[in-house]
Amino acid sequence: AQSVSQHNHHVILSEAASLELGCNYSYGGTVNLFWYVQYPGQHLQLLLKYFSGDPLVKGIKGFEAEFIKSKFSFNLRKPSVQWSDTAEYFCAVNARDTGGFKTIFGAGTRLFVKA
Amino acid sequence: GAGVSQSPSNKVTEKGKDVELRCDPISGHTALYWYRQSLGQGLEFLIYFQGNSAPDKSGLPSDRFSAERTGGSVSTLTIQRTQQEDSAVYLCASSPRGIRLAGRGYEQYFGPGTRLTVT
Repeated sequence: AQSVSQHNHHVILSEAASLELGCNYSYGGTVNLFWYVQYPGQHLQLLLKYFSGDPLVKGIKGFEAEFIKSKFSFNLRKPSVQWSDTAEYFCAVNARDTGGFKTIFGAGTRLFVKA
Repeated sequence: GAGVSQSPSNKVTEKGKDVELRCDPISGHTALYWYRQSLGQGLEFLIYFQGNSAPDKSGLPSDRFSAERTGGSVSTLTIQRTQQEDSAVYLCASSPRGIRLAGRGYEQYFGPGTRLTVT
């Protein structure tokens, strides 16, 4: 069965620091990849997604992610974080599993940005 | 437009009681998903509806859990004889097309969740 691993459960950064959150998945076929974000007290919302084409995708608020097929990775990056980026970030992978396509979420990474 | 809504926002119940959680998806969204979010566990897939049918129930943790969807819209998740380990935030999401029909994963729109506490 497919699985999604997010390496860091908690990350603490100072404002203006660069961010990279790791995401690896275990599936060898065609995948669709997502990053969702949950700001404090708010709903989960889509940050960015990859279906096909350019493996470097750009999302809202200056975030980007790179799909590296050979590494089964879809890491999230931002060159300079802001205090308002404090949130929980979830990587998700959609791929064919027994019974059809399924979206599997990682355990999430809590990011705290110090002002 | 209106997003996905869920009710109640919070539910405290005694062990052994039944609870019903409600989800109103975005109008026109044919696919509806239920997830459970526990601390440090990510989002656990429970069940997926395409219209009123549920092609994938594989995530329901036990036969105490059931869900239905009527009129291709509102869905209810029922937990019978609740246990303390059922305590979690239950999230509902909808999307314009089902992942099975589309063959690919469309973006999901999430509701605010229902926080269930079983005492």
